[in-house]
Amino acid sequence: AQSVTQPDIHITVSEGASLELRCNYSYGATPYLFWYVQSPGQGLQLLLKYFSGDTLVQGIKGFEAEFKRSQSSFNLRKPSVHWSDAAEYFCAVEEYGGNTPLVFGKGTRLSVIA
Amino acid sequence: DTEVTQTPKHLVMGMTNKKSLKCEQHMGHRAMYWYKQKAKKPPELMFVYSYEKLSINESVPSRFSPECPNSSLLNLHLHALQPEDSALYLCASTGVPGGTGELFFGEGSRLTVL
Repeated sequence: AQSVTQPDIHITVSEGASLELRCNYSYGATPYLFWYVQSPGQGLQLLLKYFSGDTLVQGIKGFEAEFKRSQSSFNLRKPSVHWSDAAEYFCAVEEYGGNTPLVFGKGTRLSVIA
Repeated sequence: DTEVTQTPKHLVMGMTNKKSLKCEQHMGHRAMYWYKQKAKKPPELMFVYSYEKLSINESVPSRFSPECPNSSLLNLHLHALQPEDSALYLCASTGVPGGTGELFFGEGSRLTVL
């Protein structure tokens, strides 16, 4: 079965510092990979997605993620964090061409300090 | 219009009450989802409707009853709930059932069961 691991439950970074959130997946075939962000009390918003092609994908709000098949990873990065980036971040995986819904990781909570 | 609209935003109900959550989208999406999210947890899939037919029920108790009256509307009827059912209920939609694409989420309905 597919699974998604986000090893970091909570990360705190200083405003202006760089950010990397880790995501590892377990799946035999080519997965479709997503990062979603959830601000407190809100729904989830898609930051970016990877289906195929260039393994470095750009998203909204200055985020990017890199798919590394050899490491089964899809880490999210941002070069300079803003206070408004404080939120919960979920990595998710979906089976290629399948009927199975998204599998979410447990999430990483990002705090931003001045 | 790229929105999924959920009403009400907040709902407080007793264990003997009957209430409903409503979800609406006008993006022409043919797959609609209900998720339940507890605090500091990822969303848990409850139901999936594809082309207005229930395609996935993740062993949800019968006190939750979904309904898809048409392709734009998804309801979740609630009856005899328990306090542990208190959570954020998220609706989502996507363009093609079984296809792979972005899930569009509503902002959720926060349910408190007394």
